[in-house]
Amino acid sequence: DVKVTQSSRYLVKRTGEKVFLECVQDMDHENMFWYRQDPGLGLRLIYFSYDVKMKEKGDIPEGYSVSREKKERFSLILESASTNQTSMYLCASTPPGREGSYEQYFGPGTRLTVT
Amino acid sequence: GESVGLHLPTLSVQEGDNSIINCAYSNSASDYFIWYKQESGKGPQFIIDIRSNMDKRQGQRVTVLLNKTVKHLSLQIAATQPGDSAVYFCAESNFGNEKLTFGTGTRLTIIP
Repeated sequence: DVKVTQSSRYLVKRTGEKVFLECVQDMDHENMFWYRQDPGLGLRLIYFSYDVKMKEKGDIPEGYSVSREKKERFSLILESASTNQTSMYLCASTPPGREGSYEQYFGPGTRLTVT
Repeated sequence: GESVGLHLPTLSVQEGDNSIINCAYSNSASDYFIWYKQESGKGPQFIIDIRSNMDKRQGQRVTVLLNKTVKHLSLQIAATQPGDSAVYFCAESNFGNEKLTFGTGTRLTIIP
């Protein structure tokens, strides 16, 4: 089974802190994604990566950056956390170009609260 | 996906009945669609997907119907069980583009 793990289930940080959210997948997937999930807004794509050291902005990249130094690990960075970044953060991965399916495998999520 | 709003649409269904969860999409170029189930405290899990060259696809107790004319997608769950209680998301993509655009979700509650 594909396993996507996220470093923390719950995190509380103060406004202005630098926050690192880590995601690791164990299936040698090329593609990795970071989403935030808010009630009534569904999942919104922050950043994604097709390969090591490659990154592309999603729909809501402002206030975030990412790092992918190794294939299995994709980090989301909040340079200076703000209260409007309080949310559930979900990481996902998928192998490239599988015939007929773009199923993404999700981690359990990190609930971040910024006070 | 579904219309964006501050409140999650909800659906309550009697245990044993069939559930139908609907999703409207706006991008005419979308040709791949997928349904996810998210239980409380967990990440989304794949249920079923469908490409635009199909109108219907069946899985175990689930059926996805696609109406491209009106840009509408539905997920039917047969004989719903308490374990079906969750939030259900549809998502769309253009095949060849591995990004998914998610809807806002529907919370399904099963009444015993």
